[in-house]
Amino acid sequence: QVTLRESGPALVKPTQTLKLTCSFSGFSLSTSGMCVSWIRQPPGKALEWLARIDWDDDKYYRKSLKTRLTVSKDTSKNQVVLTMTNMDPVDTATYYCARRHCSGGVCYDYFDYWGQGTLVTVSS
Amino acid sequence: EIVLTQSPGTLSLSPGERATLSCRASQSVISKYLAWYQQKPGQAPRLLIYGASSRATGIPDRFSGSGSGRDFTLTISRLEPEDFAVYYCQQYGSSPWLTFGGGTKLEIK
Repeated sequence: QVTLRESGPALVKPTQTLKLTCSFSGFSLSTSGMCVSWIRQPPGKALEWLARIDWDDDKYYRKSLKTRLTVSKDTSKNQVVLTMTNMDPVDTATYYCARRHCSGGVCYDYFDYWGQGTLVTVSS
Repeated sequence: EIVLTQSPGTLSLSPGERATLSCRASQSVISKYLAWYQQKPGQAPRLLIYGASSRATGIPDRFSGSGSGRDFTLTISRLEPEDFAVYYCQQYGSSPWLTFGGGTKLEIK
């Protein structure tokens, strides 16, 4: 059974750095082709892809946020960590981690498993 | 970046009616790499359709997807009460640069 769960602070102050952890089970990020992405959703707004980390440690970031984002993984702990610097009130959102679909060694970048999301509010 | 525009923004229908949701891309989506998700309040999105027309595991057959190139459609043949939610399309043809549409809210008339 595949599960993902996000954890981190519910409230951060402007200019602070946000660190979120995605803890997962039921799959391994060392499996060829496997990837985990971070996606956020401001209240009442649409989904926005942020970053992805691959089984081979390749990393990809949303171009408009590239300078503020860092994604890393700890394969032994089954965790992916997202760091976002210089937080601003516009970054207030629910942050999700999600797994790309892989089956029979073939992977595609749609998401078949999501965490429940964690709401992060940026306010002084 | 491929921009996805969903229409209408809000769709008001009654249970039993047919719903047609549109997703238009700013450029052609290769290989029909287009997915649809359903999201209910306080929940994560749920995968409905991938590859433009393939239903995900456990999705009822009243949900169907179609389209290619720039224009895609999600159809719900007979609305059930649990279908009223927000629907998002997502393209993955330009992986890893993934984009989502702005969403269509399907509400009870």
